Amino acid sequence: DAKTTQPTSMDCAEGRAANLPCNHSTISGNEYVYWYRQIHSQGPQYIIHGLKNNETNEMASLIITEDRKSSTLILPHATLRDTAVYYCIVRVGHGNTPLVFGKGTRLSVIA
Amino acid sequence: EAGVAQSPRYKIIEKRQSVAFWCNPISGHATLYWYQQILGQGPKLLIQFQNNGVVDDSQLPKDRFSAERLKGVDSTLKIQPAKLEDSAVYLCASSLFRSTDTQYFGPGTRLTVL
Repeated sequence: DAKTTQPTSMDCAEGRAANLPCNHSTISGNEYVYWYRQIHSQGPQYIIHGLKNNETNEMASLIITEDRKSSTLILPHATLRDTAVYYCIVRVGHGNTPLVFGKGTRLSVIA
Repeated sequence: EAGVAQSPRYKIIEKRQSVAFWCNPISGHATLYWYQQILGQGPKLLIQFQNNGVVDDSQLPKDRFSAERLKGVDSTLKIQPAKLEDSAVYLCASSLFRSTDTQYFGPGTRLTVL
């Protein structure tokens, strides 16, 4: 079973920042937080991952709380193409373990 | 760099028929995964290969599902006989060997069982 809790759906105005929360209160010290998204009729796409420090790449920023029990994915300037289901996944950092997906958050970016 | 290729993209069959899906991972990726995604849910792992060996098939319904990865490159997933509840998208993913390596997903095969 997924070890994360996410809101079922969220809306965001185009051009504004989209902040997607995730709770992972039972995360272990050796587990990373991963974010993937799935645009309609496509396979999931990797966005970003982190252990305890905040991370940023060309797609998004990941903010992890100090106690690591929750995190927020930030899309700084959402566009219509960011409309997708976003999955927050907790995964051990050793061994090539598979991803355990929950139901994710359906983000709708509105013009 | 070419992505993960899957075929066919769509398949419609009658229950009790058999079906096979094909996946070609990204070149050099040692690990290959098959996931099943039922409508409205997140993907669920069916089987994981490391090169041509099975790492985890604990969630594969072995009475009807089988998978192989001959020569450690491409892979096939077969269902025989299919049931109505097998209607889903079947996703293939691949990654390099290291634990934090990104998994890259193919577009999936949408199976409808009538």
